[in-house]
Amino acid sequence: AQKITQTQPGMFVQEKEAVTLDCTYDTSDPSYGLFWYKQPSSGEMIFLIYQGSYDQQNATEGRYSLNFQKARKSANLVISASQLGDSAMYFCAMREANTGNQFYFGTGTSLTVIP
Amino acid sequence: DTGVSQDPRHKITKRGQNVTFRCDPISEHNRLYWYRQTLGQGPEFLTYFQNEAQLEKSRLLSDRFSAERPKGSFSTLEIQRTEQGDSAMYLCASSSARGSYTDTQYFGPGTRLTVL
Repeated sequence: AQKITQTQPGMFVQEKEAVTLDCTYDTSDPSYGLFWYKQPSSGEMIFLIYQGSYDQQNATEGRYSLNFQKARKSANLVISASQLGDSAMYFCAMREANTGNQFYFGTGTSLTVIP
Repeated sequence: DTGVSQDPRHKITKRGQNVTFRCDPISEHNRLYWYRQTLGQGPEFLTYFQNEAQLEKSRLLSDRFSAERPKGSFSTLEIQRTEQGDSAMYLCASSSARGSYTDTQYFGPGTRLTVL
């Protein structure tokens, strides 16, 4: 079974609007971390935001927020006030406490911001 | 610039040749990871070092692949007898010494390998 599922291969958003990128995860480990990364066409993976499994509040970092619904095992990324520079691939990732040190990544969502 | 660096950024080689990539992690990070990313996919874990010790290896890391981190600082990933299926982006990441599942991994710009 896939550890991380991103069901939106591509998304479009108008500049200055908000957009939600979906991510669901699968784990039986009670301790885990969820991460979102941005990958521009240059290739570098840029860390955006982190949510821990025991965190009571949704994480926020500037224009990025994470809509964490633990019972539904979803960790959607919300980008507010989209900018042209937000056009990139976005990857959701998970790391479990008991299964080693690797990240499990989804297949990504390509976001295009339209002027 | 104190981020993760990788060299070279691009490598084109002929099938059967050996290639070596280098990764320099963030200086205070003792954990280093290698991932492979093919077109349209997310990164897939290859191997992990804590200091100079290689502690985990994925099944993706065939006998033709070898990674080292001799002094616990930079790391090299070597692919011997390259095949066309090895064409991918090879990403390096590092994280801090806390060793928790909460640790963020910081990635380098990657080395894009093309095997002709």
